[in-house]
Amino acid sequence: GNSVTQMEGPVTLSEEAFLTINCTYTATGYPSLFWYVQYPGEGLQLLLKATKADDKGSNKGFEATYRKETTSFHLEKGSVQVSDSAVYFCALVMLSGGYNKLIFGAGTRLAVHP
Amino acid sequence: DAGVTQSPTHLIKTRGQQVTLRCSPKSGHDTVSWYQQALGQGPQFIFQYYEEEERQRGNFPDRFSGHQFPNYSSELNVNALLLGDSALYLCASSLGLAGGMNEQFFGPGTRLTVL
Repeated sequence: GNSVTQMEGPVTLSEEAFLTINCTYTATGYPSLFWYVQYPGEGLQLLLKATKADDKGSNKGFEATYRKETTSFHLEKGSVQVSDSAVYFCALVMLSGGYNKLIFGAGTRLAVHP
Repeated sequence: DAGVTQSPTHLIKTRGQQVTLRCSPKSGHDTVSWYQQALGQGPQFIFQYYEEEERQRGNFPDRFSGHQFPNYSSELNVNALLLGDSALYLCASSLGLAGGMNEQFFGPGTRLTVL
């Protein structure tokens, strides 16, 4: 079946450090890939997306590249801020009979310290 | 422009009871999906409603049921509550179904605790 695997957290970094959160997927076909962020007490917000192989999604300094050969969609940011502290979810969408649904990874908690 | 809203924010029930959660989609959206997020886990798809019909369903028992109203708002009902139903329930809205992988916008969720 279709699934998403993320690196376990928590990830603890100092401000201005480089961030990588690994995400790999298993899918029959060619899914679209997403990163969502969940701040404390809030719902999920779409951070970035990529719909086909070699696409790079980017937003707010975050970026991720859709790698079909390694079935990966790793999230990166060159210089994290305290305000980036949140839980990050990698997800995929597969078309199924004309409908879509999101399949999420377990999430990776990021804590950034001053 | 109001985003996705959910009510109530928090809810405490006991085993065996029934609960109804409510969701109003983002203005202009006609499709509502429900997800269950257990503590420390990613959201799991429950079901999706479009044109007042359940269009697809995840791996959840029949105790979980829903409804969509003509104004596109939706309810999630859970009967015979179990301790394992304790979770954050998220509602997401989008425009249309699969076409163009339309972005799903999430509400803040309803935190259900079953004692």
